[in-house]
Amino acid sequence: DAGVTQSPTHLIKTRGQQVTLRCSPKSGHDTVSWYQQALGQGPQFIFQYYEEEERQRGNFPDRFSGHQFPNYSSELNVNALLLGDSALYLCASSLEPKGSTDTQYFGPGTRLTVL
Amino acid sequence: TQLLEQSPQFLSIQEGENLTVYCNSSSVFSSLQWYRQEPGEGPVLLVTVVTGGEVKKLKRLTFQFGDARKDSSLHITAAQPGDTGLYLCAGPPSGGSNYKLTFGKGTLLTVNP
Repeated sequence: DAGVTQSPTHLIKTRGQQVTLRCSPKSGHDTVSWYQQALGQGPQFIFQYYEEEERQRGNFPDRFSGHQFPNYSSELNVNALLLGDSALYLCASSLEPKGSTDTQYFGPGTRLTVL
Repeated sequence: TQLLEQSPQFLSIQEGENLTVYCNSSSVFSSLQWYRQEPGEGPVLLVTVVTGGEVKKLKRLTFQFGDARKDSSLHITAAQPGDTGLYLCAGPPSGGSNYKLTFGKGTLLTVNP
């Protein structure tokens, strides 16, 4: 049973460029959440997708957008990259939340470096 | 905004020692989760505590949720090098589902052989 997978593993971009990160959820999961983890910090919630729609969003600008496909996989797009966007981007999958104890499973992340 | 403060930020100990790390907030959380994250990996869920005063044990790890559901602690007995990692606490917004988790900054634990 494959867990959450993310691609690419590492990515180097320059300021102003655009980037797309990809995530495949754990088998059977229908909900994907994205987090940004800067160096020395805990993960910060970006947004969540369920039924191909963005359902909840954290405090991130519109430069951050996403998409969920019918097979539940998801993409995170970041436009007009800034140096401060350098971070580990984590994808987490789960079943559609029913309560406060639902479990999210995290992927290994994509390390984005913006030069 | 509900914040989670973790302490200490860094901890370096010798194999066999005991340790406790803390997760505190001024806000009430409906539940708290503890994760361990190793370099190059995503966080892995260790436990979820839900009830105020709850104590859960996972082998050498003991987790406690404060009576007022504003704080939690993780105690490791006889630490081993394999316990090395970043320990994160996280919780959902009060009354909400856990899909919008708030994380603390974590405690980076190093256990030296």
